[in-house]
Amino acid sequence: QLQLQESGPGLVKPSETLSLTCTVSGGSISSSTYYWGWIRQPPGKGLEWIGSIFYLGSTYYNPSLESRVTISVDTSKNQFSLKLSSVTAADTAVYYCARHRGVTPYFDYWGQGTLVTVSS
Amino acid sequence: DIQMTQSPSSVSASVGDRVTITCQASQGISSWLAWYQQKPGKAPKLLIYAASSLQSGVPSRFSGSGSGTDFTLTISSLQPEDFATYYCQQANSFPYSFGQGTKLEIK
Repeated sequence: QLQLQESGPGLVKPSETLSLTCTVSGGSISSSTYYWGWIRQPPGKGLEWIGSIFYLGSTYYNPSLESRVTISVDTSKNQFSLKLSSVTAADTAVYYCARHRGVTPYFDYWGQGTLVTVSS
Repeated sequence: DIQMTQSPSSVSASVGDRVTITCQASQGISSWLAWYQQKPGKAPKLLIYAASSLQSGVPSRFSGSGSGTDFTLTISSLQPEDFATYYCQQANSFPYSFGQGTKLEIK
């Protein structure tokens, strides 16, 4: 059974960089079938797609965040990562990693999510 | 950007009721639409993709329809475990966007 697990600091200071890693188990991230994405949800609010990556490294990002976002992949560790720079309180959210089949982003497997709070 | 608008924002219903949630896209998205269910403190769960295709393992009481700009999610006979928040998501073009959610509550 495929599982995704987010990890990283739960508290980040304003203006710093948020860094999260998603570890994939029960399947290979190096599949030509799937893309791997990040989605976030501010407390009590809706969902926002951040971006996605293919195992060969091709990425696409939400234009609203593109200037601050980097998504990377480490196939040797079966992981992909998110970096979001210059964070503010508005970046406080539960961050989810998820899988989608091909370029079409229907997210069929999700991590449990991790809350990241931006505060000094 | 494509805006997704769900209605209603919340709905109260009883076990056994038939419930319909609607989602409207600000421009045509063909059938590039998904529906998710989210329970408190949990990740969303994919229910429907390509507007009307049932994800593996999802009960058949869930169904989706629509194309273009107007879509519906129908639960034919509510079960206790169906009380949750439901989101639509367009997969037609960047940036992929979600509706604001519809909270389904017990009457």
